[in-house]
Amino acid sequence: QKEVEQNSGPLSVPEGAIASLNCTYSDRGSQSFFWYRQYSGKSPELIMSIYSNGDKEDGRFTAQLNKASQYVSLLIRDSQPSDSATYLCAVNTRRSGGYQKVTFGIGTKLQVIP
Amino acid sequence: EAGVTQSPTHLIKTRGQQATLRCSPISGHTSVYWYQQALGLGLQFLLWYDEGEERNRGNFPPRFSGRQFPNYSSELNVNALELEDSALYLCASSLYSARTGEFFGPGTRLTVL
Repeated sequence: QKEVEQNSGPLSVPEGAIASLNCTYSDRGSQSFFWYRQYSGKSPELIMSIYSNGDKEDGRFTAQLNKASQYVSLLIRDSQPSDSATYLCAVNTRRSGGYQKVTFGIGTKLQVIP
Repeated sequence: EAGVTQSPTHLIKTRGQQATLRCSPISGHTSVYWYQQALGLGLQFLLWYDEGEERNRGNFPPRFSGRQFPNYSSELNVNALELEDSALYLCASSLYSARTGEFFGPGTRLTVL
């Protein structure tokens, strides 16, 4: 089982629809969760971070975290063609002694169709 | 405010050589993260530096090493280059150590021939 799993896609949604991106993780001790957007040929850009169970909204983006199910998702409302990119899920796990492990998923390619 | 900068943009080396990649974090950021993004493998965590010290490293061989300087800039060294080291190397910085590195630089594309 991969530590952070994402469907590589592509996920195609029509313009104006809600895009739902999903990510599962294996380490129950993980504390911090991040979503990055990466356009082709560019470096990742942080769009959302979430640390506690529930929803976190920022503009058209909503991150959802369910630690019991080890599941984190990103919803993009009113999807625009400019949202077409690869979305990376990242999980940060810290343990005693300063140990920190960062694991990224493979990324889900989103295509918003005009 | 200047973002994270990396140099060089592109680097071409031959197998067995050494490569040195550089990163300057956003001013005030003390944590620097290095990642490798190889085709089809996603982002792989390489190294994490905070306050001048190596805090953690990913599952990479010892020929991947680095350091962080007093001004918090960082250097990644890859010795005895292998063909599979060809990848985009990304540096990210963070104000707080408990993050993945929120701000990424543009990356260095390393090609090993």
